[in-house]
Amino acid sequence: QSALTQPASVSGSPGQSTTISCAGTSSDVGGYKYVSWYQQHPGMAPKLIIYDVNNRPPGISYRFSGSKSGNTASLTISGLQSEDEADYYCSSYTSSSASVVFGGGTKLTVL
Amino acid sequence: QVHLVQSGAEVRKPGASVKVSCTASGYTFTTYYIHWVRQAPGQGLEWMGMINPSGPRTIYAQKFQGRVTITRDTSTSTVYMELTSLRSEDTAVYYCARDSSGWFVFWGQGTLVTVAS
Repeated sequence: QSALTQPASVSGSPGQSTTISCAGTSSDVGGYKYVSWYQQHPGMAPKLIIYDVNNRPPGISYRFSGSKSGNTASLTISGLQSEDEADYYCSSYTSSSASVVFGGGTKLTVL
Repeated sequence: QVHLVQSGAEVRKPGASVKVSCTASGYTFTTYYIHWVRQAPGQGLEWMGMINPSGPRTIYAQKFQGRVTITRDTSTSTVYMELTSLRSEDTAVYYCARDSSGWFVFWGQGTLVTVAS
């Protein structure tokens, strides 16, 4: 299955907001609520920050929010902080193979 | 609490096979699917496959069909991922992750597999 499409990089200044997009198809992002987002710092395992499009797990800052419109999901990080600098991956259930597909990842730089 | 503990780093020659383990604790092993995800150096996450420990139904990514086998041992709450016919492009960190309705809260620590002659 094809990976979901994310921008390779985004950046923002401390305190600003930034949005990362995740484009898929009606067989994955557009067809189901099973979109999740992960944050990964170098050398660490991924960390779940959003599940089911717009839900935050316990302990995840309110500064992280998710949404979806059509076949594209988005992750918005508000009030950027230096510790937000990391790689971010979207993921979705895909009916084309009854499995999971990840986006290519987006590197967030906090200027 | 939930823990997924993976086996240690491996080095293999091209053409060989590798088997990585993932031992679960802190929950009922047969309740949740276990997935395998890999990450090549400097690259993104790549889904490989999953197993229903109570099944054991498996689903594999098309890219790995015929080369990957995921099995489980319910007596030790362990899931195994075996990858055969290794090539240099298979050098990666391999993660197991516990499914929670399509998303992964719990991840193993990762196992580095290096394929080099």
